[in-house]
Order: sequence, then C-alpha cells, then structure tokens
Amino acid sequence: QQQVKQSPQSLIVQKGGISIINCAYENTAFDYFPWYQQFPGKGPALLIAIRPDVSEKKEGRFTISFNKSAKQFSLHIMDSQPGDSATYFCAASKGSQAGTALIFGKGTTLSVSS
Amino acid sequence: GAVVSQHPSRVICKSGTSVKIECRSLDFQATTMFWYRQFPKKSLMLMATSNEGSKATYEQGVEKDKFLINHASLTLSTLTVTSAHPEDSSFYICSARFREGFSDTQYFGPGTRLTVL
Repeated sequence: QQQVKQSPQSLIVQKGGISIINCAYENTAFDYFPWYQQFPGKGPALLIAIRPDVSEKKEGRFTISFNKSAKQFSLHIMDSQPGDSATYFCAASKGSQAGTALIFGKGTTLSVSS
Repeated sequence: GAVVSQHPSRVICKSGTSVKIECRSLDFQATTMFWYRQFPKKSLMLMATSNEGSKATYEQGVEKDKFLINHASLTLSTLTVTSAHPEDSSFYICSARFREGFSDTQYFGPGTRLTVL
C-alpha cells in the first residue's frame, strides 16, 4: 500500500504561472511533511517543510498548504521560472520518533516553459 | 546550513567486486543516517536506517549481507556493495538526520552513481 500518493506525475507550466503539486497520506501518525527538489544526477534538496499544527507555510515563492482532516498537503510554486524545472517529491514521517525514515511520494516532474 | 557529502560521486566496477560508498555530515553530528536507492525517473527507495554505534535496520527485501552498512562515527556512514552485479547498478543516496531545537529534518547527499559492468 502506497502510504504517500503524489499527483500529477508530470506538469508543464508557463513561465510566471503557478505550479501546484498535491500529496495525500494514509497514516495519521505522520507529523512531518517536507518537500524536496531534485535535479537530474543530484541528491534531493529540502525546499520547505510543515508540521500539522499549521495550515500553511510560505518561504519565498514556495508555499505548503496542509489539510489535516483531508490528510492532504500541497506545494504551490508562485511565479514559476524555467530554473524551477526539476522533479519534486513530497514526503512524510513520524518526525517526533527518533530514527524514523521519510516515506516519499513517487515524484512530479515539473517543466516550466519560457 | 547542514551539508552532507558522498564519495565517490561516480564509480564503475567489474562484476564480482565490492564497492564502498561514504556518507559524511560535514557540519553537524548525525546519530541517524539513511541509505536510499533510486532508479531512473523513479522515487527514492529506503534501503536501511543506520544508527551510530549499532547495527543498521534494513527494509524488507534488502539483503543485509550484500549491502553492508557501518555507522562508525557521528559524521560517517558507509555502504559497501559486496560482490556487485549489473543489477546493482543504480543511484545511491544517503541522508542524515539533523536536529536543532525544534527543527528535525533530513538532508541528502549528492548521490553516488554505481555502474557494474
């Protein structure tokens, strides 16, 4: 059973547009939800993360929206730029427990056209 | 910021040989490190959790005798692929758990591309 479901699989957005990637989770024990950005041949880089005690977190052009009752969270990239073209992974973990690994979604390949 | 390095970045080896990959947390101590494997255009698959000073915990289906993990210090974990075969060719990525105050997250290394001929 896939614990973190991510959609869409791929996304094409015009420069300046808003990119939206959605994730849903099953395990209500998850309490830490990060988003990672990965360029080809590189390791994932932490973009932004949220915990369930807030419904939204914004850092620059990146915003996480979190809906605890629906067990969903999403990444919004405002004013998308060609340099944002990458694969994005959502993840979840029981962060309060020592040594708990992240469970990743399958990833979304974003292409921003100039 | 928290930086994690991996060495080597690329390795090509012959079938039957062993390859060691190092994962280091450069500016913080990591009691827990994780090893992932990633196939092209696929997500990260957790292989094992490595805790400093104790045996690694392997995920179901990962052979512990083939993928030897050692976490000898708070800044270094190693993954040794023993008797490598072409099907072991993959992108191996480590991450290190970073805890500071209320912040608790994972930072990833740049990955190691293993090609077994």
